[in-house]
Amino acid sequence: KAGVTQTPRYLIKTRGQQVTLSCSPISGHRSVSWYQQTPGQGLQFLFEYFSETQRNKGNFPGRFSGRQFSNSRSEMNVSTLELGDSALYLCASSGLAYNEQFFGPGTRLTVL
Amino acid sequence: AQTVTQSQPEMSVQEAETVTLSCTYDTSESNYYLFWYKQPPSRQMILVIRQEAYKQQNATENRFSVNFQKAAKSFSLKISDSQLGDTAMYFCAFMRIIQGAQKLVFGQGTRLTINP
Repeated sequence: KAGVTQTPRYLIKTRGQQVTLSCSPISGHRSVSWYQQTPGQGLQFLFEYFSETQRNKGNFPGRFSGRQFSNSRSEMNVSTLELGDSALYLCASSGLAYNEQFFGPGTRLTVL
Repeated sequence: AQTVTQSQPEMSVQEAETVTLSCTYDTSESNYYLFWYKQPPSRQMILVIRQEAYKQQNATENRFSVNFQKAAKSFSLKISDSQLGDTAMYFCAFMRIIQGAQKLVFGQGTRLTINP
Protein backbone atom coordinates (compact mmCIF):
# COMPACT_ATOMS: atom_id res chain seq x y z
CA LYS A 1 0.00 0.00 0.00
CA ALA A 2 1.42 3.37 -0.96
CA GLY A 3 2.20 5.78 1.86
CA VAL A 4 1.17 9.37 2.36
CA THR A 5 2.42 11.62 -0.40
CA GLN A 6 2.92 15.36 -0.27
CA THR A 7 3.60 17.78 -3.08
CA PRO A 8 5.63 19.77 -3.64
CA ARG A 9 8.53 18.64 -1.48
CA TYR A 10 10.23 22.03 -1.51
CA LEU A 11 8.87 25.50 -2.08
CA ILE A 12 10.34 28.98 -1.99
CA LYS A 13 8.02 31.97 -1.80
CA THR A 14 8.31 35.64 -0.93
CA ARG A 15 6.49 37.56 1.75
CA GLY A 16 2.92 38.45 0.86
CA GLN A 17 2.45 35.58 -1.57
CA GLN A 18 0.13 32.68 -1.00
CA VAL A 19 0.88 28.97 -1.23
CA THR A 20 -1.06 25.74 -1.59
CA LEU A 21 0.28 22.40 -0.37
CA SER A 22 -1.21 19.06 -1.29
CA CYS A 23 -1.49 15.78 0.57
CA SER A 24 -2.72 12.39 -0.66
CA PRO A 25 -3.51 9.98 2.20
CA ILE A 26 -3.02 6.26 2.34
CA SER A 27 -5.70 4.52 0.31
CA GLY A 28 -8.79 4.00 2.46
CA HIS A 29 -7.82 6.60 5.06
CA ARG A 30 -10.41 9.33 5.46
CA SER A 31 -8.78 11.47 8.14
CA VAL A 32 -6.05 13.91 7.17
CA SER A 33 -4.21 16.11 9.66
CA TRP A 34 -1.71 18.88 9.09
CA TYR A 35 1.19 19.91 11.33
CA GLN A 36 3.76 22.67 11.19
CA GLN A 37 7.30 21.91 12.36
CA THR A 38 9.76 24.69 13.19
CA PRO A 39 12.96 24.69 15.25
CA GLY A 40 11.51 27.18 17.71
CA GLN A 41 7.95 25.96 18.18
CA GLY A 42 8.40 22.28 17.42
CA LEU A 43 5.49 20.33 16.01
CA GLN A 44 2.17 22.12 16.14
CA PHE A 45 -1.24 20.91 15.03
CA LEU A 46 -2.92 22.94 12.31
CA PHE A 47 -6.17 21.14 11.50
CA GLU A 48 -7.80 17.80 10.79
CA TYR A 49 -10.25 16.88 8.06
CA PHE A 50 -12.56 13.90 7.85
CA SER A 51 -15.00 13.25 5.03
CA GLU A 52 -14.50 16.76 3.64
CA THR A 53 -15.29 18.40 7.01
CA GLN A 54 -12.87 20.17 9.30
CA ARG A 55 -13.14 18.23 12.53
CA ASN A 56 -10.47 19.93 14.61
CA LYS A 57 -8.43 23.13 14.42
CA GLY A 58 -5.28 24.36 16.12
CA ASN A 59 -4.33 27.86 17.22
CA PHE A 60 -3.22 29.36 13.95
CA PRO A 61 -4.38 32.60 12.32
CA GLY A 62 -7.04 32.61 9.65
CA ARG A 63 -4.35 32.90 6.97
CA PHE A 64 -4.01 29.15 7.34
CA SER A 65 -6.85 27.23 5.79
CA GLY A 66 -7.48 23.83 4.34
CA ARG A 67 -9.94 21.62 2.60
CA GLN A 68 -10.51 17.99 1.78
CA PHE A 69 -11.89 16.51 -1.40
CA SER A 70 -14.24 13.58 -1.88
CA ASN A 71 -11.27 11.29 -2.61
CA SER A 72 -9.79 12.28 0.80
CA ARG A 73 -6.95 14.27 -0.74
CA SER A 74 -6.34 17.44 1.20
CA GLU A 75 -4.86 20.83 0.52
CA MET A 76 -3.73 23.53 2.87
CA ASN A 77 -3.39 27.14 1.89
CA VAL A 78 -1.43 29.92 3.51
CA SER A 79 -2.22 33.44 2.36
CA THR A 80 -0.14 36.59 2.83
CA LEU A 81 2.98 34.65 3.72
CA GLU A 82 5.21 35.88 6.53
CA LEU A 83 8.84 35.03 7.24
CA GLY A 84 7.71 33.06 10.28
CA ASP A 85 5.72 30.70 8.08
CA SER A 86 8.96 29.09 6.94
CA ALA A 87 8.66 25.53 8.20
CA LEU A 88 8.28 21.88 7.38
CA TYR A 89 4.59 21.16 6.84
CA LEU A 90 3.65 17.58 7.60
CA CYS A 91 0.51 15.81 6.59
CA ALA A 92 -0.70 12.64 8.31
CA SER A 93 -3.50 10.26 7.47
CA SER A 94 -5.41 7.90 9.72
CA GLY A 95 -7.77 5.02 9.19
CA LEU A 96 -10.59 3.84 11.43
CA ALA A 97 -8.57 1.45 13.52
CA TYR A 98 -6.01 2.18 16.23
CA ASN A 99 -6.03 5.96 15.76
CA GLU A 100 -2.51 5.85 14.39
CA GLN A 101 -1.41 8.70 12.20
CA PHE A 102 0.95 7.97 9.33
CA PHE A 103 3.01 10.86 8.10
CA GLY A 104 4.10 11.99 4.68
CA PRO A 105 7.61 13.23 3.87
CA GLY A 106 6.61 16.86 4.35
CA THR A 107 6.82 20.05 2.31
CA ARG A 108 9.68 22.37 3.18
CA LEU A 109 8.43 25.96 2.74
CA THR A 110 10.90 28.82 2.74
CA VAL A 111 9.58 32.37 2.81
CA LEU A 112 12.05 35.06 1.73
CA ALA B 1 -4.67 21.78 27.72
CA GLN B 2 -2.54 18.72 27.32
CA THR B 3 1.22 19.13 27.45
CA VAL B 4 4.03 16.69 26.71
CA THR B 5 7.51 17.11 28.16
CA GLN B 6 10.69 15.41 27.04
CA SER B 7 13.39 16.37 29.51
CA GLN B 8 16.37 15.04 27.54
CA PRO B 9 17.15 17.28 24.53
CA GLU B 10 20.04 15.04 23.46
CA MET B 11 21.34 11.56 24.22
CA SER B 12 24.23 9.57 22.89
CA VAL B 13 25.03 5.87 23.37
CA GLN B 14 27.25 3.23 21.85
CA GLU B 15 25.92 0.73 19.35
CA ALA B 16 24.36 -2.37 21.00
CA GLU B 17 23.69 -0.53 24.26
CA THR B 18 20.24 -0.01 25.75
CA VAL B 19 18.88 3.50 26.01
CA THR B 20 15.76 4.92 27.66
CA LEU B 21 14.07 8.14 26.54
CA SER B 22 11.83 9.90 29.03
CA CYS B 23 8.44 11.50 28.49
CA THR B 24 5.89 12.93 30.86
CA TYR B 25 2.51 14.38 30.01
CA ASP B 26 -0.22 16.32 31.67
CA THR B 27 -3.90 15.60 31.14
CA SER B 28 -7.13 15.29 33.08
CA GLU B 29 -8.49 12.74 30.62
CA SER B 30 -8.74 9.07 31.52
CA ASN B 31 -8.83 7.66 28.01
CA TYR B 32 -6.14 8.64 25.53
CA TYR B 33 -3.34 7.31 23.38
CA LEU B 34 0.40 7.76 23.57
CA PHE B 35 2.90 7.37 20.77
CA TRP B 36 6.60 7.50 20.08
CA TYR B 37 7.61 8.75 16.66
CA LYS B 38 11.06 8.68 15.11
CA GLN B 39 12.27 11.35 12.69
CA PRO B 40 15.59 10.49 11.03
CA PRO B 41 17.61 13.07 9.08
CA SER B 42 15.42 12.34 6.04
CA ARG B 43 12.63 14.11 8.02
CA GLN B 44 10.09 11.33 7.45
CA MET B 45 8.14 10.85 10.67
CA ILE B 46 7.85 7.15 11.49
CA LEU B 47 5.58 5.61 14.10
CA VAL B 48 7.64 3.50 16.52
CA ILE B 49 5.14 2.34 19.09
CA ARG B 50 1.71 3.14 20.50
CA GLN B 51 0.01 2.65 23.87
CA GLU B 52 -3.66 2.89 24.79
CA ALA B 53 -4.16 4.41 28.22
CA TYR B 54 -6.77 1.84 29.21
CA LYS B 55 -4.29 -1.00 28.72
CA GLN B 56 -2.08 -1.80 31.68
CA GLN B 57 0.27 -3.96 29.67
CA ASN B 58 3.25 -2.11 28.26
CA ALA B 59 3.53 -2.13 24.48
CA THR B 60 6.50 -3.74 22.76
CA GLU B 61 7.65 -3.75 19.14
CA ASN B 62 10.75 -5.84 18.59
CA ARG B 63 13.65 -3.90 20.18
CA PHE B 64 11.36 -1.07 21.29
CA SER B 65 9.32 -1.17 24.47
CA VAL B 66 7.61 1.36 26.69
CA ASN B 67 7.22 1.80 30.42
CA PHE B 68 3.76 3.31 30.86
CA GLN B 69 3.02 4.63 34.34
CA LYS B 70 -0.49 6.09 34.13
CA ALA B 71 -0.67 7.44 37.67
CA ALA B 72 2.68 9.17 37.26
CA LYS B 73 1.78 10.28 33.72
CA SER B 74 5.04 8.88 32.45
CA PHE B 75 5.70 7.14 29.14
CA SER B 76 9.32 6.21 28.53
CA LEU B 77 10.76 4.43 25.50
CA LYS B 78 13.43 1.76 25.84
CA ILE B 79 15.53 0.81 22.84
CA SER B 80 17.44 -2.43 23.29
CA ASP B 81 20.48 -3.49 21.27
CA SER B 82 20.64 -0.04 19.69
CA GLN B 83 21.66 0.18 16.04
CA LEU B 84 23.20 2.95 13.94
CA GLY B 85 19.89 3.27 12.11
CA ASP B 86 18.22 4.28 15.36
CA THR B 87 19.95 7.65 15.15
CA ALA B 88 17.10 10.18 14.89
CA MET B 89 14.92 12.67 16.69
CA TYR B 90 12.38 10.91 18.86
CA PHE B 91 9.08 12.55 19.67
CA CYS B 92 6.65 11.54 22.34
CA ALA B 93 3.05 12.36 21.44
CA PHE B 94 -0.34 12.40 23.17
CA MET B 95 -3.69 11.99 21.49
CA ARG B 96 -7.12 12.64 22.91
CA ILE B 97 -10.08 11.76 20.77
CA ILE B 98 -13.25 13.78 21.13
CA GLN B 99 -16.21 12.75 18.95
CA GLY B 100 -13.79 11.11 16.57
CA ALA B 101 -11.61 14.19 16.14
CA GLN B 102 -7.90 13.46 16.44
CA LYS B 103 -5.09 15.77 17.44
CA LEU B 104 -1.52 14.86 18.30
CA VAL B 105 0.31 16.95 20.89
CA PHE B 106 4.06 16.49 20.63
CA GLY B 107 6.94 16.93 23.02
CA GLN B 108 9.99 18.93 22.00
CA GLY B 109 11.90 15.81 21.02
CA THR B 110 15.08 14.01 22.04
CA ARG B 111 17.96 13.85 19.59
CA LEU B 112 19.42 10.35 19.89
CA THR B 113 22.81 9.51 18.43
CA ILE B 114 24.05 5.93 18.21
CA ASN B 115 27.84 5.81 17.95
CA PRO B 116 29.73 2.95 16.30
